[in-house]
Amino acid sequence: LAKTTQPISMDSYEGQEVNITCSHNNIATNDYITWYQQFPSQGPRFIIQGYKTKVTNEVASLFIPADRKSSTLSLPRVSLSDTAVYYCLVAPPDSNSGYALNFGKGTSLLVTP
Amino acid sequence: DVKVTQSSRYLVKRTGEKVFLECVQDMDHENMFWYRQDPGLGLRLIYFSYDVKMKEKGDIPEGYSVSREKKERFSLILESASTNQTSMYLCASTWSGRTVEYFGPGTRLTVT
Repeated sequence: LAKTTQPISMDSYEGQEVNITCSHNNIATNDYITWYQQFPSQGPRFIIQGYKTKVTNEVASLFIPADRKSSTLSLPRVSLSDTAVYYCLVAPPDSNSGYALNFGKGTSLLVTP
Repeated sequence: DVKVTQSSRYLVKRTGEKVFLECVQDMDHENMFWYRQDPGLGLRLIYFSYDVKMKEKGDIPEGYSVSREKKERFSLILESASTNQTSMYLCASTWSGRTVEYFGPGTRLTVT
C-alpha cells in the first residue's frame, strides 16, 4: 500500500478555508484516495473519496493533480466543530480478497474563535 | 444507515484476565477490522477478516487473537490482558472491493 505523509497538526480560525495536503508519491494506478474525520472518543467517519481531478460533496472538496502524487482536502469556512483529526488513505479496491487499510497518525486540526 | 456496534464503550479489566471485545455490523459486509488507537500513534491495525473463519494479521497482532464464526460478528480476544493493552479499540467493516470503512463507536479498555 502507498505510504502517505500529512502534517501532524494545523491551526485555523473560524470562517477560514482550510487545506490539508497529503503526499503519496508511490500511489498505484488503481489506488483511490480517501479522507476520514475523527472526533475525540469516536470512530473515524468517511468524508470524501476520489481518484483524479476534483470531487466535491456537502462537507469538503478533494483536489487531486494529474500526477496523483498528492491530494488536498479543502474544508470551506471551518467552524469550531471541525476540530478533529483528519486521515488520508490510499488503497486499491480488491474484489477477490480482503485488504488492510493502514491509517497513519493523521492531521490534528484545531479551529479557534 | 450502516451500523457497526461494539459490545462496550468502557471496560476495566485486571492483568491476566481474558477479555472479549465484540463487534457486530448489520450491512452484510465481507470485511471486518480491529484497530487500536493510542495518543501519538494513530490507528494501528491488529487483525482483519475478509470472510467467515478467515483472518489476517495486521501490524500489531501480538497478544491478540480473533474469531469470526458468523459474517456479522468479529470478536477480538485478549488471552491474558496486560497493562500495555490499555487503549481505545475500534472495529470497522466494509464490503469486499470497497475502500471506505465504517467504524463503530470504540471501546476504551483499561487494564489495571
